[in-house]
Amino acid sequence: GDSVTQMEGPVTLSEEAFLTINCTYTATGYPSLFWYVQYPGEGLQLLLKATKADDKGSNKGFEATYRKETTSFHLEKGSVQVSDSAVYFCALFGAGSYQLTFGKGTKLSVIP
Amino acid sequence: DTGVSQNPRHKITKRGQNVTFRCDPISEHNRLYWYRQTLGQGPEFLTYFQNEAQLEKSRLLSDRFSAERPKGSFSTLEIQRTEQGDSAMYLCASSLMDRGLEQFFGPGTRLTVL
Repeated sequence: GDSVTQMEGPVTLSEEAFLTINCTYTATGYPSLFWYVQYPGEGLQLLLKATKADDKGSNKGFEATYRKETTSFHLEKGSVQVSDSAVYFCALFGAGSYQLTFGKGTKLSVIP
Repeated sequence: DTGVSQNPRHKITKRGQNVTFRCDPISEHNRLYWYRQTLGQGPEFLTYFQNEAQLEKSRLLSDRFSAERPKGSFSTLEIQRTEQGDSAMYLCASSLMDRGLEQFFGPGTRLTVL
């Protein structure tokens, strides 16, 4: 079945540092890929998505590129802020499926 | 607020009791999903409705779990004879059929079974 593997946290960075959170997936066909973010005390929010190979999703300074050859969708941000502290989930929507398959999440803490 | 709402936000119950959660999706969203999230894990799919029809159920959804969506609007998730292993955050999400990739999540109902 479909699965998502993302780097384990927690990740602690200083403000303005570069962020990478690795995500790889296993799926049949051509899934759509997502990053969701969960801020403390809030629900999951869609951060960005990519629906086909080589697509780049971007939002709020975050980017991720759909790499079919490496089955990866790594999340990056050039300069993190304290307000980016949250749990980040990589997820996929399998071809012909109605459900999202999530990774375990990576907790990011950004310190001033 | 026009987002997905869930009630109650927290529920504490004793083992063996029945509990029911409610989800109100975004108005006009015809797809509704239930997920379960345990501590340190990502959400896991439970079930999915398109309008009032329950089209998919995970094998995680044992016979103690039942979900309904009468009239294709709000949905309820009932757990009968709760067990300690049912303690989790129960998340509801909704989407439009023609934009089914974008699921909008509610804040969740945290269930604690003592």
